[in-house]
Amino acid sequence: KNEVEQSPQNLTAQEGEFITINCSYSVGISALHWLQQHPGGGIVSLFMLSSGKKKHGRLIATINIQEKHSSLHITASHPRDSAVYICAVDYGGSQGNLIFGKGTKLSVKP
Amino acid sequence: DTGVSQNPRHKITKRGQNVTFRCDPISEHNRLYWYRQTLGQGPEFLTYFQNEAQLEKSRLLSDRFSAERPKGSFSTLEIQRTEQGDSAMYLCASSLYPRASYGYTFGSGTRLTVV
Repeated sequence: KNEVEQSPQNLTAQEGEFITINCSYSVGISALHWLQQHPGGGIVSLFMLSSGKKKHGRLIATINIQEKHSSLHITASHPRDSAVYICAVDYGGSQGNLIFGKGTKLSVKP
Repeated sequence: DTGVSQNPRHKITKRGQNVTFRCDPISEHNRLYWYRQTLGQGPEFLTYFQNEAQLEKSRLLSDRFSAERPKGSFSTLEIQRTEQGDSAMYLCASSLYPRASYGYTFGSGTRLTVV
């Protein structure tokens, strides 16, 4: 069982729509990361969260530590937002390695 | 600094051949990680280094896989006697430990196809 669950797996939206991607994890963490992966493969780090909320442009990420849940929101979505969005958690062990979700494939239609 | 650089971007090899990938992290980052990602899945941890020391290896890293970071800067990942199941995207990331507020920086990956 994957320790990091994302939903939905696939998401198709019309340009301009508000989008929400969810991530749940199973145990306490030191940080949660939202990552963006385009078809070429490279991963871009969007946010690193340990509490509360962060905003960057049209992207908003929130985390609820008690509920072990995080959401990534995209306002006024655009076709260039089409990508795979991956949630990854850092359990803060000495290793420091990340546990990744399977990703949410977002397609924004013009 | 140009970020995390991985070479080559793509590699096609015949089954049984050896391949080597290189990762150049952000220069001031002391930690370097290798991940493997197969189609439709999230990345899976393979191994990581702090400076030149390899601190952990995943069970996914069979005896055919070896990674080095000899001078604590760039790293290489070698796969010996490649198998079709090794076909995947190999991702490298680096970070500054203890963790800085900007987290991890990823490379663009090396896509390996074993034919």
